[in-house]
Amino acid sequence: AQSVTQLDSQVPVFEEAPVELRCNYSSSVSVYLFWYVQYPNQGLQLLLKYLSGSTLVKGINGFEAEFNKSQTSFHLRKPSVHISDTAEYFCAVSDRGFNKFYFGSGTKLNVKP
Amino acid sequence: NAGVMQNPRHLVRRRGQEARLRCSPMKGHSHVYWYRQLPEEGLKFMVYLQKENIIDESGMPKERFSAEFPKEGPSILRIQQVVRGDSAAYFCASSPDRASGNTIYFGEGSWLTVV
Repeated sequence: AQSVTQLDSQVPVFEEAPVELRCNYSSSVSVYLFWYVQYPNQGLQLLLKYLSGSTLVKGINGFEAEFNKSQTSFHLRKPSVHISDTAEYFCAVSDRGFNKFYFGSGTKLNVKP
Repeated sequence: NAGVMQNPRHLVRRRGQEARLRCSPMKGHSHVYWYRQLPEEGLKFMVYLQKENIIDESGMPKERFSAEFPKEGPSILRIQQVVRGDSAAYFCASSPDRASGNTIYFGEGSWLTVV
């Protein structure tokens, strides 16, 4: 079975500063990796995904993530955040059978002016 | 091209009543997933369905919860005799198939409040 750990439940950061949201996973098999964003009272929107190939994945809104197989990590980064990035971010893994996704408990990003 | 449609968006039920949540997948999608998000928690997988088949219901509580995805019409998540602990956001997601490694697309959720 897979599991996902998001180490930080909340991350406060000032506008225009860089940010990294951490995600570690455990799995005995190869997986697909995803980051989703959830704005208040809304559903989840896909930011980016890693299926194969280059370990550095670029997504929407200037976010990127790097797959590190040896460290079983998939940390999300943005070099300069904006107020509008304030939201909750979820890391997820799916097995190659693509039967279901396992989500982390989420990280609330709070961008301050 | 409409996305995943869920209704109702908000539902209030008294303890002991039934709650029915509906999900219409994206056009062309035949796989539906239901997730539950409890306050201050992440999303927990409940059930994975294809048309007329339950593929994986390992995340469904053993009692009071059921799901279906009929040949025609939306997928339904049904909660009988609701209790306060059922208060949560219920998200539906859909995908076209599982072979391609494609992602799943989420609806905007149904917020259930049990009073």
